[in-house]
Amino acid sequence: GENVEQHPSTLSVQEGDSAVIKCTYSDSASNYFPWYKQELGKRPQLIIDIRSNVGEKKDQRIAVTLNKTAKHFSLHITETQPEDSAVYFCAASTQAGTALIFGKGTTLSVSS
Amino acid sequence: ETGVTQTPRHLVMGMTNKKSLKCEQHLGHNAMYWYKQSAKKPLELMFVYSLEERVENNSVPSRFSPECPNSSHLFLHLHTLQPEDSALYLCASSQDVAGGAVGQTQYFGPGTRLLVL
Repeated sequence: GENVEQHPSTLSVQEGDSAVIKCTYSDSASNYFPWYKQELGKRPQLIIDIRSNVGEKKDQRIAVTLNKTAKHFSLHITETQPEDSAVYFCAASTQAGTALIFGKGTTLSVSS
Repeated sequence: ETGVTQTPRHLVMGMTNKKSLKCEQHLGHNAMYWYKQSAKKPLELMFVYSLEERVENNSVPSRFSPECPNSSHLFLHLHTLQPEDSALYLCASSQDVAGGAVGQTQYFGPGTRLLVL
């Protein structure tokens, strides 16, 4: 089945710096890759997603890139702000498309 | 924020108790999910339902029993749990389980924080 690895597990940056979180997946049939942000005590919320027919997608300060050949995808946050501090999860769809398999999460801390 | 609701928000139970978690989605979605989130294994998929039919069961112990009476409601029945089952249980829904530009985006509920003593 699908396996998703996420790195790093923790990431500390200064306000205004960029942050990059990387994920790899094992199932070449996966075609949907969302990223979720979970603030302390709150539910995970979708921040951006990408499908396998697209190599890059951007939404203001957030971008995601996908390399299907290498089976990895990355989240890029530019001009980080303290409110970006949270746990970020990547995910990949299963071959059957019935579910998402999540990475173990990255705790991002942005200090001012 | 109110698209997917869960009750109760917090639950403390003994190992011999029987309790149920409830999830309700108001988004008109066809698929619903149960996840377990703990410190050691964040966001483990437990069950997937599509149009009230279970389509995936991720080797979950039988002390967890899901029920999906209709596409808007999902229950997780708990009995004879172990302390290691203490975790945040998250429900999610999506338009469909597969295909389509929006079919797989999942929306999460606030979760039930479960403590098993």
